[in-house]
Amino acid sequence: EAQVTQNPRYLITVTGKKLTVTCSQNMNHEYMSWYRQDPGLGLRQIYYSMNVEVTDKGDVPEGYKVSRKEKRNFPLILESPSPNQTSLYFCASSSGTGGGEQFFGPGTRLTVL
Amino acid sequence: AQKITQTQPGMFVQEKEAVTLDCTYDTSDPSYGLFWYKQPSSGEMIFLIYQGSYDQQNATEGRYSLNFQKARKSANLVISASQLGDSAMYFCAMRAPYSGGGADGLTFGKGTHLIIQP
Repeated sequence: EAQVTQNPRYLITVTGKKLTVTCSQNMNHEYMSWYRQDPGLGLRQIYYSMNVEVTDKGDVPEGYKVSRKEKRNFPLILESPSPNQTSLYFCASSSGTGGGEQFFGPGTRLTVL
Repeated sequence: AQKITQTQPGMFVQEKEAVTLDCTYDTSDPSYGLFWYKQPSSGEMIFLIYQGSYDQQNATEGRYSLNFQKARKSANLVISASQLGDSAMYFCAMRAPYSGGGADGLTFGKGTHLIIQP
């Protein structure tokens, strides 16, 4: 089954404690993105990747890092989380061919205390 | 910069009625794609329908259709014969590869919360 998986699905942590949210896709997609969703703001892109070792900032990259060492994986790293990073996070992937759909993971609900 | 505007924060609709969710967009890119996603209370993002800027026909997928009016930069979602299970947040989104949006990334509107009443 074609899918994007994220782990963990739920996470409560404390300010400053480094964490990683993993993302994996099994569709051999080149493009992967991270979004955060906040009430009243819709989804906003954090980082994206066009291929292995190629990443760039989206609209709200501050406080986040990413890496793309393998095509299927695109982890999101919060090196020193702060309460304003409490949000619902989505990983997405697509083939990037014109009208290709973006496939979303199930979401990770993060709370930073 | 590209922008998506959804002017209806919330809507109440009677079951079995048709629903139109509004979406306007702004881009200078001649080639772009428009998407609608549904987000139920469980949180996942469900792809509903896609319209390319060069598509001649309005997109349809089952009970969903996209009323694409290019000159007005409008891409409204129409749900025919609404059902209780249609209650959810609905997001309009755009991909405009040459105007930013992070290489195949989507720019989202703020969403419309649709509630279907029995």
